[in-house]
Amino acid sequence: DAKTTQPPSMDCAEGRAANLPCNHSTISGNEYVYWYRQIHSQGPQYIIHGLKNNETNEMASLIITEDRKSSTLILPHATLRDTAVYYCIVRAQGAQKLVFGQGTRLTINP
Amino acid sequence: DVKVTQSSRYLVKRTGEKVFLECVQDMDHENMFWYRQDPGLGLRLIYFSYDVKMKEKGDIPEGYSVSREKKERFSLILESASTNQTSMYLCASGDWDEQYFGPGTRLTVT
Repeated sequence: DAKTTQPPSMDCAEGRAANLPCNHSTISGNEYVYWYRQIHSQGPQYIIHGLKNNETNEMASLIITEDRKSSTLILPHATLRDTAVYYCIVRAQGAQKLVFGQGTRLTINP
Repeated sequence: DVKVTQSSRYLVKRTGEKVFLECVQDMDHENMFWYRQDPGLGLRLIYFSYDVKMKEKGDIPEGYSVSREKKERFSLILESASTNQTSMYLCASGDWDEQYFGPGTRLTVT
């Protein structure tokens, strides 16, 4: 699976959009981009995934660049409850595991 | 809502003890997973199961075994606990795209 690079930490003001970048320059054509987050003292939570088209659900939007070498997770109106570690994962469909890296620690400030 | 429950949030065991960590899911998922999470190492897959009585090794199976006698229940067994198995243990169920995690068991081996 392709390696991902994320900033170790970010801050965002409550009510603003939080934009979390992820670099995956060695991604292959059959690899998807997944985002999970882990709130303190809880297990990870699935957010969204995509292949090449932008995706949106009730939690977030995923923007993947045309060359697929990077992506951005957008939380449109961040709340204090969005403070968590966010993991960007690249995985081929049918591959047997998710590999969690170090993620980005996002802090939402009041 | 999918619910994945783990038998204990905190557990303290002595070196050499046999330890059972239980996980139950209520969504009829075929796949269940056991991970451990350590600072600086992220989540690492220990074992997974894709059906009753079926199991596959993950990245770090040494020192662990698993049992899946019923679809909803997946047990992780430490045959002889050692101090290097002190960790947060996370159970998950779901498909490979979207995994639902339990709250975790923080195991301390003294």
